[in-house]
Order: sequence, then C-alpha cells, then structure tokens
Amino acid sequence: DAGITQSPRYKITETGRQVTLMCHQTWSHSYMFWYRQDLGHGLRLIYYSAAADITDKGEVPDGYVVSRSKTENFPLTLESATRSQTSVYFCASSDPQGILDEQYFGPGTRLTVT
Amino acid sequence: AQSVAQPEDQVNVAEGNPLTVKCTYSVSGNPYLFWYVQYPNRGLQFLLKYITGDNLVKGSYGFEAEFNKSQTSFHLKKPSALVSDSALYFCACRDDKIIFGKGTRLHILP
Repeated sequence: DAGITQSPRYKITETGRQVTLMCHQTWSHSYMFWYRQDLGHGLRLIYYSAAADITDKGEVPDGYVVSRSKTENFPLTLESATRSQTSVYFCASSDPQGILDEQYFGPGTRLTVT
Repeated sequence: AQSVAQPEDQVNVAEGNPLTVKCTYSVSGNPYLFWYVQYPNRGLQFLLKYITGDNLVKGSYGFEAEFNKSQTSFHLKKPSALVSDSALYFCACRDDKIIFGKGTRLHILP
C-alpha cells in the first residue's frame, strides 16, 4: 500500500513552460489538497478538492490549474511557470470527514523555475 | 480573518528537558486545531488535533497539546525531549479553510 505519492520528486523547468505535478493516493480519500511550502511563509493552500470533479481555490491559486477526473488523482498544472513559483509542493489527502480531520501528506515535489 | 501564529522561528531545548512550541489562533467560530511535524525532505505528519472535549490532547510520539480558549492558544508540549524530536513543527487551524502557521524549528541538544 503506497499511500500517497507525488511525481516527479524534483523538476527544473524554464520560465513560460507548462509543467504538471502528479499526485496519486491509494486510500480512496475524498478530499485532496495542494500546498506550496516557502521559507517565511510556511505552508499555503493552493487548491483543494472535495470529490471527483469538485475543486475549489485556496489561499494562493493564481497561476495554477487543477483537475480531478478520478478520486485517486489530483494533478496540479502550472500553465506558464514563473520564477515565483519555485517552491516545494505537497499534495495531501484526508478521509471522508474532510478538512475537519487530519491530512496525509505526500513526500513533496521540489520545483525550480529558471 | 482566520489566522495562526507561531511566534518562535526556532526553539532550542536540552535533551531530557520539557519542551513547548507555541501556537496562537484567531477564528470566528469554534476552532479546530492541529499539530503536524516535518522531518527533513519529508512531507508533514499528523501529531494530534483538538476538535472538542478535553483541553489536553494527547498525540503521537509522546506529544500533547493544551487548548486554552481564553488565551486562544494551542501550545505543543512534551515532558522529556529526545534528540529525535528535532524537526519542523506546524500548527494549523480550520475554520472555513485550513490555515497553517509558518512553522517552528525545534532543536533538541544532546
């Protein structure tokens, strides 16, 4: 049972390119989340999803797009990457009680935009 | 507006001593509060949560947290620190969305 996985673990891309970060969970959790972690800012919510085909904005959604066609996958796309999007990205999921309950985090993707 | 504050960027504690990592919050309704720990190059791991009930919440690895409504605080505590407790600790609060604090780096000195 792999739990929650993210790919790639490391990515270097150029300004203006599109990049997609993948997140997959094996628990059938209904809620999934994307965060970015930056020094001095802690963890900030980008987008979250309550179920397949249901997504909502978090604190810092600009420049990002998400989709959730299947319960187990929640990809995050940077449509035109900028240097300010250099960060560590974490995906998380939680059980049917959703954002009232604890979240399970993936190992993270370190993204560098040059 | 909902907010979470961790006033200390870093806390240093000698091994065997008690430790406290501070967290204060601001929400409009009833607070749902969480502590998470992050080890190097890893995702966050859940430690404990307060939803309702007893003000003293016990969690993983011997940690506990005390909810204080009058002081709007939810400090993380452990009676005797271990070197392996050295990590980054995040407090989080859920109102309509989850907000994380900026994190406190805990150094346990041997």
